[in-house]
Amino acid sequence: DAGITQSPRHKVTETGTPVTLRCHQTENHRYMYWYRQDPGHGLRLIHYSYGVKDTDKGEVSDGYSVSRSKTEDFLLTLESATSSQTSVYFCATGDGLDQETQYFGPGTRLLVL
Amino acid sequence: GQQVMQIPQYQHVQEGEDFTTYCNSSTTLSNIQWYKQRPGGHPVFLIQLVKSGEVKKQKRLTFQFGEAKKNSSLHITATQTTDVGTYFCAGLATSGTYKYIFGTGTRLKVLA
Repeated sequence: DAGITQSPRHKVTETGTPVTLRCHQTENHRYMYWYRQDPGHGLRLIHYSYGVKDTDKGEVSDGYSVSRSKTEDFLLTLESATSSQTSVYFCATGDGLDQETQYFGPGTRLLVL
Repeated sequence: GQQVMQIPQYQHVQEGEDFTTYCNSSTTLSNIQWYKQRPGGHPVFLIQLVKSGEVKKQKRLTFQFGEAKKNSSLHITATQTTDVGTYFCAGLATSGTYKYIFGTGTRLKVLA
């Protein structure tokens, strides 16, 4: 597996609080992604980045923001967490070549009470 | 918007039986990828198909990309308990972007 770590791995928070999830990679991959995984929905793209300070929205971006100030780090922020954001969050990276593979991190389980 | 559906949602098979999952997109795809996620784990890339009608094999796994590039299938011959997990397809609708749409997944359970 590619060197992708996510922190924290588990988090419980209360509705209305801000939450930041971190994804760190050691592969120097250009592309980084944040997905959420919920039963019956598979993996849904929240935001992705195609370079430092270059980000774009995915299909479920409302309520989330991202930042990428360094190649190796991609942060996902829930500005004001809601119970509907309870989910498992996966970060992924890709080197952007033609035969792109996405390498996934171990995931973060977030519970919003 | 683009949708990628997978069927079946769940499949229980006896060890040694074959298994197939189907992936159908509402739009034509540039390519399609398949991933496997073990229970409690993260998705792991299996393969990518790019050409219309392409067929690729990995040991007991056979992957196909439809002629119209709107559907794909994964077939496992003689399942083993190690095949347990959820299989996802992921489609890239537009070349030049890297926004993949994942299917809903098929959860496979293999009974010994």
